[in-house]
Amino acid sequence: EADIYQTPRYLVIGTGKKITLECSQTMGHDKMYWYQQDPGMELHLIHYSYGVNSTEKGDLSSESTVSRIRTEHFPLTLESARPSHTSQYLCASSEYVGGAFFGQGTRLTVV
Amino acid sequence: ILNVEQSPQSLHVQEGDSTNFTCSFPSSNFYALHWYRWETAKSPEALFVMTLNGDEKKKGRISATLNTKEGYSYLYIKGSQPEDSATYLCAFLHIKAAGNKLTFGGGTRVLVKP
Repeated sequence: EADIYQTPRYLVIGTGKKITLECSQTMGHDKMYWYQQDPGMELHLIHYSYGVNSTEKGDLSSESTVSRIRTEHFPLTLESARPSHTSQYLCASSEYVGGAFFGQGTRLTVV
Repeated sequence: ILNVEQSPQSLHVQEGDSTNFTCSFPSSNFYALHWYRWETAKSPEALFVMTLNGDEKKKGRISATLNTKEGYSYLYIKGSQPEDSATYLCAFLHIKAAGNKLTFGGGTRVLVKP
């Protein structure tokens, strides 16, 4: 079983609120990713990190920001949530070339 | 943006039949190709990590081949069973000087009918 955890699993929040989605892994992986899943189940990379203090934006533009202060922790923050941010967010981690391990996902609904 | 394409988007297979589907990816700057199985209400799980041209991997009734020169990989399911129903994702790992990132295709949704 993968040791990567996301919280919360589900979040319903009002427009304009600041939110942070948590992602933690205990495998010591350097690489971590955030994906946004659209209704067709396609995964779009929005952020990735290859180590502490290194983050880059992914292929899909996102208003969210991330930080990587510790190897095991890769939180995603939305400063002001909007209904267009409603989606499923998946966090993953991997070793350099190995398969990625995914968290259970956070389903975000902004009302 | 890296172009990773999977076809077909969905597939209906009769139980017991074999099937296969494709992942296409850029043939330059290749580092690795992953296959994942994603069952409904679960997280994607890695099936195979492939790094060498000509690689063939097998896990039970599922196998995969890799052609890095032409930029494609096939996933095969032999004797499909209802429990094989899932979305199968491929992901391309690209070499980049400062690190590398995993880019997913759109997936092939497989439904095995009893």
